[in-house]
Amino acid sequence: QSVLTQSPSASETPGQRVTISCSGSSSNIGSNYVYWYQQLPGTAPKLLIYRNNQRPSGVPDRFSGSRSGTSASLAISGLRSEDEADYYCAAWDDRLYGVLFGGGTKLTVL
Amino acid sequence: EVQLVESGGGLVQPGGSLRLSCAASGFTFSSYWMGWVRQAPGKGLEWVANIRQDGGEKYYVDSVKGRFTISRENAKNSLYLQMNSLRAEDTAVYYCARSEDYGPHFDYWGQGTLVTVSS
Repeated sequence: QSVLTQSPSASETPGQRVTISCSGSSSNIGSNYVYWYQQLPGTAPKLLIYRNNQRPSGVPDRFSGSRSGTSASLAISGLRSEDEADYYCAAWDDRLYGVLFGGGTKLTVL
Repeated sequence: EVQLVESGGGLVQPGGSLRLSCAASGFTFSSYWMGWVRQAPGKGLEWVANIRQDGGEKYYVDSVKGRFTISRENAKNSLYLQMNSLRAEDTAVYYCARSEDYGPHFDYWGQGTLVTVSS
């Protein structure tokens, strides 16, 4: 069971906006940066958002991240079929002294 | 172009050992933290270990402490994961990843190597 909690699934229609949430605690999200990864079927994960809300070069601005207290969110606007993937949040945990990944959210674009 | 290529995966019996390697190219290997992340079949991502640029600082997930050892050889641009006392629950695809720091800032990933622990 992951210490970072994500809803197992989300779905939305093309062109719409979807938000994926990640809930943690004061020892991880509450005091450290949050990262988001996209994993397309059969491929390695890809860094989507770093340090709460920064996008690596090449990541479209349709993807945005935010953090508030001990929770974080990934928003995807203008949904496309190619956004159908698993999305994971991650953060360092000061109490466990290690990296935590959320359980992942499977996004379906209807 | 940054490339990370894992090798060394395979089938091993419970209690056995395996050494994974990751060959890095396209960047100054000695300037980055490196890590291993695994993914059991049909499951989510699980961080395994991170190592500092000079190898002087290492972090592990609790479930592998005392069994796995992360190491690196900067002269050979290589990262390693020595896995001992393997268990069925260690069965996973193991990814090598580059990180900007000790946290989960994994900006490049390898394609992964499958480790299967079974009798």
